[in-house]
Amino acid sequence: AAGVIQSPRHLIKEKRETATLKCYPIPRHDTVYWYQQGPGQDPQFLISFYEKMQSDKGSIPDRFSAQQFSDYHSELNMSSLELGDSALYFCASSLARTGLSYEQYFGPGTRLTVT
Amino acid sequence: QKEVEQNSGPLSVPEGAIASLNCTYSDRVSQSFFWYRQYSGKSPELIMSIYSNGDKEDGRFTAQLNKASQYVSLLIRDSQPSDSATYLCAVNENTDKLIFGTGTRLQVFP
Repeated sequence: AAGVIQSPRHLIKEKRETATLKCYPIPRHDTVYWYQQGPGQDPQFLISFYEKMQSDKGSIPDRFSAQQFSDYHSELNMSSLELGDSALYFCASSLARTGLSYEQYFGPGTRLTVT
Repeated sequence: QKEVEQNSGPLSVPEGAIASLNCTYSDRVSQSFFWYRQYSGKSPELIMSIYSNGDKEDGRFTAQLNKASQYVSLLIRDSQPSDSATYLCAVNENTDKLIFGTGTRLQVFP
């Protein structure tokens, strides 16, 4: 079965640079979520999109922005990178909300290292 | 206080035994509950979801939910060394985001 695709898998940037992470959800999934996981920490919700509209926002810095495109893929744009932004960034996707189902399936992640 | 609490472990069990993982949550409006398995450096993998009180079984895994006690558990029967991973409890409050616990590290030794 097709899974969530993320690119790139690894990214090394210097402080104050910008980075763009891409996510391709499972086919027919229309909701995309972004999470950040620091070393030894649990995933923290950043932002989500449903049918190309932002649907929820978590602890996402103002330096970050994201969008979902007409083909449902999503991009997370990160500017003025700081050392503390070094983390694993996961994208997850789910099918349209029906009843209580919010099952989210995670992609392999992008490991961002800021030097 | 963190919204979703788990014992960080490690929880060590011998191969073939039952591993019992526990999770408590603080928000009574929580409606959906999930268990994810995460190997080191890898992404969380959904293994169980549960929405109503009681037990839900899937293969070697059983999830148990008690909303009155705000308690979710995961039982792994016939534990295998390949089950050694961090198990994340996640809660959804009918919004988009999942709120994760810090995870319990499980070690299954031969």
